[in-house]
Amino acid sequence: KAGVTQTPRYLIKTRGQQVTLSCSPISGHRSVSWYQQTPGQGLQFLFEYFSETQRNKGNFPGRFSGRQFSNSRSEMNVSTLELGDSALYLCASSRGTGEAFFGQGTRLTVV
Amino acid sequence: QKEVEQNSGPLSVPEGAIASLNCTYSDRGSQSFFWYRQYSGKSPELIMSIYSNGDKEDGRFTAQLNKASQYVSLLIRDSQPSDSATYLCAVNLAGSSNTGKLIFGQGTTLQVKP
Repeated sequence: KAGVTQTPRYLIKTRGQQVTLSCSPISGHRSVSWYQQTPGQGLQFLFEYFSETQRNKGNFPGRFSGRQFSNSRSEMNVSTLELGDSALYLCASSRGTGEAFFGQGTRLTVV
Repeated sequence: QKEVEQNSGPLSVPEGAIASLNCTYSDRGSQSFFWYRQYSGKSPELIMSIYSNGDKEDGRFTAQLNKASQYVSLLIRDSQPSDSATYLCAVNLAGSSNTGKLIFGQGTTLQVKP
């Protein structure tokens, strides 16, 4: 059974640019959640999509947005990148009942 | 007060010993609790989930939940050097039960010395 797939694995962007990250969940999983992980703040919840609707949202600015497609694949977009957005972005999929499985992550570096 | 708290460690134990990792949470209505293991440079891996008070065993791992005291713990028996990693406690808060929203502690770094 294929796991959660995130692309790309690494990204380098310049301040002010925008970026789109992609996540393909485990087959049959309808929930996709996004997290930001930094050494200082740890793992922080960004948002969750379930059946193409945002079901939960964390405390991040509006520059962070996402969407989910009918096949449950999800994208996350960050606009007007700041140096502080440099982080590991993790996607997790679940059936929607808590147990979540993570992808390998996208390492974003903003210069 | 943070919603989920863990001692950051490092917790150092000799090979073969029992490692005990603890986590407290602030939301009394929380129903679902998870332990993840994260090796350096890798993504978190789910190792245990627990929903009811008491103990849940899986191989060398035992998760313990005490909702009255609002803590959850993870015991690793016969610790091996390969268990050296950061262990993350995650909680589904009451307001987001049975959803994909997890609140994580800062993680406890475990070092198992040969």
